[in-house]
Amino acid sequence: AQSVTQPDIHITVSEGASLELRCNYSYGATPYLFWYVQSPGQGLQLLLKYFSGDTLVQGIKGFEAEFKRSQSSFNLRKPSVHWSDAAEYFCAVGETDSWGKFQFGAGTQVVVTP
Amino acid sequence: SQTIHQWPATLVQPVGSPLSLECTVEGTSNPNLYWYRQAAGRGLQLLFYSVGIGQISSEVPQNLSASRPQDRQFILSSKKLLLSDSGFYLCAWSVGRGHEQYFGPGTRLTVT
Repeated sequence: AQSVTQPDIHITVSEGASLELRCNYSYGATPYLFWYVQSPGQGLQLLLKYFSGDTLVQGIKGFEAEFKRSQSSFNLRKPSVHWSDAAEYFCAVGETDSWGKFQFGAGTQVVVTP
Repeated sequence: SQTIHQWPATLVQPVGSPLSLECTVEGTSNPNLYWYRQAAGRGLQLLFYSVGIGQISSEVPQNLSASRPQDRQFILSSKKLLLSDSGFYLCAWSVGRGHEQYFGPGTRLTVT
């Protein structure tokens, strides 16, 4: 069975600084990988996804993520954060042969300071 | 474009009362549908998923049940709520195998 680890429960970053959120997964084959963002009291919004091909994927809101098979990682990055990026971020892995059964990480809470 | 609705947005129910949460999807046909629960400060736990009308798979044995009476309607129910059923319930949909899921706005359930 697949699993997802987000090592950082909470990250504080200054506005304008860069941001990197870590995600490690465990899965026997090449997984489908996703990053979602959740604002307080809201549903989850898809930021980006990796299915195959180019290991650097671009998403919405200026985010990108890089799939590194050798490290079983799919880290999310943004060069310069905005106050509106304060939210909780979830990494998810999907089984490639399933009807969309995902395993979500526990999430990373991002706080942006002035 | 596709839209997913959940209602109610918030709900406060006493222990032992019944529950019915509804999720509907517009703008797509034969979606896969999912119910998740998100406890405070924790990730998402998949409760049920459905690949078609009347087809429900349960991921976690519990006090809840799900039904799919129509192609784009997914209902989460309980006959008697427990305090531990409190949480944020999210419905999601996808199409095909392994594709991204799209989430509804959620229902905040508080059991008192």
